[in-house]
Amino acid sequence: AQSVTQLGSHVSVSEGALVLLRCNYSSSVPPYLFWYVQYPNQGLQLLLKYTSAATLVKGINGFEAEFKKSETSFHLTKPSAHMSDAAEYFCAVRSNAGNMLTFGGGTRLMVKP
Amino acid sequence: EAGVVQSPRYKIIEKKQPVAFWCNPISGHNTLYWYLQNLGQGPELLIRYENEEAVDDSQLPKDRFSAERLKGVDSTLKIQPAELGDSAVYLCASSLDAGVREQFFGPGTRLTVL
Repeated sequence: AQSVTQLGSHVSVSEGALVLLRCNYSSSVPPYLFWYVQYPNQGLQLLLKYTSAATLVKGINGFEAEFKKSETSFHLTKPSAHMSDAAEYFCAVRSNAGNMLTFGGGTRLMVKP
Repeated sequence: EAGVVQSPRYKIIEKKQPVAFWCNPISGHNTLYWYLQNLGQGPELLIRYENEEAVDDSQLPKDRFSAERLKGVDSTLKIQPAELGDSAVYLCASSLDAGVREQFFGPGTRLTVL
């Protein structure tokens, strides 16, 4: 069974600072991994996905994530935080069958002016 | 292109009352998902449809929850009777098929059971 752990339920950064949101996964097979963002009172929006191609994946809004098999990690980064990045971020792993996603608990990103 | 539509956006009911949520997926999307999102947690899959067939409902509490997807398009999720612990956000998502496809999420229905 797959599982996802997001370290840090809350992360606070200053505007312009590096954003690093951590995600570790457990999977018995090569995983497909996703990062979603959720703004208040909205549904989840896909930021980026890893599907066994390039290990460094670029997404929308300047975010990127690097798949590291040896560390079973898929951390999300952005070089310079913007106020509009304040939201909840979810890492997810896809099961083998049926495109079902298992989500982590989420990390709330706060951006200080 | 219209996204996934859900209604109502908010619902407040008293415990033991029934409630229903409606979802209209993106046109042409064969796979539809219902997720439960408790406060401060990630979504958890309740049920997945391939066209009109429920192919995974192992996480759906069948004593009080039911779902249907008539004609393989719109879907309805029902709770009867609702309990206090059912207060959560119910998210609907759809994807083109069950391959490695992006799931598109609706805005959710926030249920409060008093």
